Amino acid sequence: SAVISQKPSRDICQRGTSLTIQCQVDSQVTMMFWYRQQPGQSLTLIATANQGSEATYESGFVIDKFPISRPNLTFSTLTVSNMSPEDSSIYLCSVEDKPLNTEAFFGQGTRLTVV
Amino acid sequence: GDSVTQMEGPVTLSEEAFLTINCTYTATGYPSLFWYVQYPGEGLQLLLKATKADDKGSNKGFEATYRKETTSFHLEKGSVQVSDSAVYFCALSDPVLTGGGNKLTFGTGTQLKVEL
Repeated sequence: SAVISQKPSRDICQRGTSLTIQCQVDSQVTMMFWYRQQPGQSLTLIATANQGSEATYESGFVIDKFPISRPNLTFSTLTVSNMSPEDSSIYLCSVEDKPLNTEAFFGQGTRLTVV
Repeated sequence: GDSVTQMEGPVTLSEEAFLTINCTYTATGYPSLFWYVQYPGEGLQLLLKATKADDKGSNKGFEATYRKETTSFHLEKGSVQVSDSAVYFCALSDPVLTGGGNKLTFGTGTQLKVEL
């Protein structure tokens, strides 16, 4: 199994600012994903973080708002840019430690509140 | 596209009661099915999974059977405990659609509260 560390665990930010969330895995993984969990709702995939190339974004999410880095096989960052109160959510990093759909592991999440 | 529908909560049960949380899905290919659990203040943890029709996933007294004919993956436990209080998410991964990656589609989650 993979152990995932996410930082920060929570933050309160002013609208118009940006926050970068870090995801560190204890082993090399092929696939890394970023999810958003809005209050009282389910998880929605934001993007797949690809090592060595641009992230692949899901419908409704764009790179300018959620830039993602993936410099190596153990680390990724998600930035929430120009934040508004609607961005208040839990953001989760997820990894798959083997290819072909075995199991996804999740970080503990970053609880973001925008005021 | 793929989707997961699960029963709305919250569900409140007395300790030792029987639990069923319904989950149905629609998918393009032959998905794998999962139940994840989120305990208060913690991240998501995989509870159980099933990768093909008629498979039964089980863990910690919880069970779910992959029913292709009814496109369902209902979660059951014979006797719940207070420590089972959490939010439960049904999810699927469709490798045909995602090219082999484990991109998950989640249901809305069902909050379970178990009281003494």
